[in-house]
Amino acid sequence: AQTVTQSQPEMSVQEAETVTLSCTYDTSESDYYLFWYKQPPSRQMILVIRQEAYKQQNATENRFSVNFQKAAKSFSLKISDSQLGDAAMYFCAYRRADMRFGAGTRLTVKP
Amino acid sequence: EAQVTQNPRYLITVTGKKLTVTCSQNMNHEYMSWYRQDPGLGLRQIYYSMNVEVTDKGDVPEGYKVSRKEKRNFPLILESPSPNQTSLYFCASSIPGTGGYEQYFGPGTRLTVT
Repeated sequence: AQTVTQSQPEMSVQEAETVTLSCTYDTSESDYYLFWYKQPPSRQMILVIRQEAYKQQNATENRFSVNFQKAAKSFSLKISDSQLGDAAMYFCAYRRADMRFGAGTRLTVKP
Repeated sequence: EAQVTQNPRYLITVTGKKLTVTCSQNMNHEYMSWYRQDPGLGLRQIYYSMNVEVTDKGDVPEGYKVSRKEKRNFPLILESPSPNQTSLYFCASSIPGTGGYEQYFGPGTRLTVT
């Protein structure tokens, strides 16, 4: 079964600085999709970014980018120019048929 | 407005009293799914449905039932709730069941079983 591991339960970053959240996964498949979701205190799950495994180019969405290392099964999220509104739980997820989530990383942004 | 709705948003109940959490989506999505979220464990899939009348178990199906009689609705049934089912529950939907399509999540249902 596929598993997703987020090794950092908590992270903090200074406003305007850059932070990287780590995620590794385990799979024997070659075609799959990876996601980062954000969960602010409102509890709403919000898609931040997605990556197709067959694409070598790393996905970017404004201040959010990923470092996808397929051979290492690593999928980290980089947040540049951190803002107070970025404070949230961040979940890494893997999807082929069903979707598997990591345990989450709580990000604190310090003013 | 495209959305996934869940009801109720909050529920406190007692052990053994059957309950249903409703989920509805207005996006004509084929795929629907239920998750539970617990601290330190992330979201774990309970059941999912690839289309009407097609359901399958996720990682933690014990103690839950689902049905998919209509495309838009996917209720979660707890026949005899127990305290270990106290959790935050999310319903989600997407276009097909595979691929990189975004899953749209409902607002969550906080369930407490005493």
